[in-house]
Amino acid sequence: DADVTQTPRNRITKTGKRIMLECSQTKGHDRMYWYRQDPGLGLRLIYYSFDVKDINKGEISDGYSVSRQAQAKFSLSLESAIPNQTALYFCATSDYRVQETQYFGPGTRLLVL
Amino acid sequence: GNSVTQMEGPVTLSEEAFLTINCTYTATGYPSLFWYVQYPGEGLQLLLKATKADDKGSNKGFEATYRKETTSFHLEKGSVQVSDSAVYFCALTVYSGGGADGLTFGKGTHLIIQP
Repeated sequence: DADVTQTPRNRITKTGKRIMLECSQTKGHDRMYWYRQDPGLGLRLIYYSFDVKDINKGEISDGYSVSRQAQAKFSLSLESAIPNQTALYFCATSDYRVQETQYFGPGTRLLVL
Repeated sequence: GNSVTQMEGPVTLSEEAFLTINCTYTATGYPSLFWYVQYPGEGLQLLLKATKADDKGSNKGFEATYRKETTSFHLEKGSVQVSDSAVYFCALTVYSGGGADGLTFGKGTHLIIQP
């Protein structure tokens, strides 16, 4: 089984809808991250969390919110989706003892119409 | 702020050719440097890393040396294979008070190896 899982893997939604992307990990890591990937732009950090009580904004947090429900779960919400949020979204985790190295999930492809 | 610049792609090479993908960075503080690889339809995988100046990261025949004087971390491989076709991302992270922040990525270099 994969160590970092993301659901759903693909999602189509309409402008103005609220959607949630979920991430779960079995690696026992304390740190979790959300990134989005756009063609020609690489990956950009949306939010990150060092533990259940810690949430930090990344480079492009506007229009997004997150919830760290447990050490193993970190969800990303789009409160009112817009077409320029169409992207590939990745969750990642890291261990505080080797915190430089991040492990990525398979990604969620989101299309906002 | 932090930033990573890597060569634009696609880069097309013949099998067994020598590969170099350039990467330079700017960072506040002392960054750790990484190369990640993304195969078609998959997430990112760590290829190699270096955490201090003059360190050399290596894996699967790929190498990169952390050059503080030139703020560079170029990826090299002596003889590429078709299976190396993928998108390669250079990235860095810098520690803040609470720990390592998220990664700052370059835009990615698409590598295509022809038989």
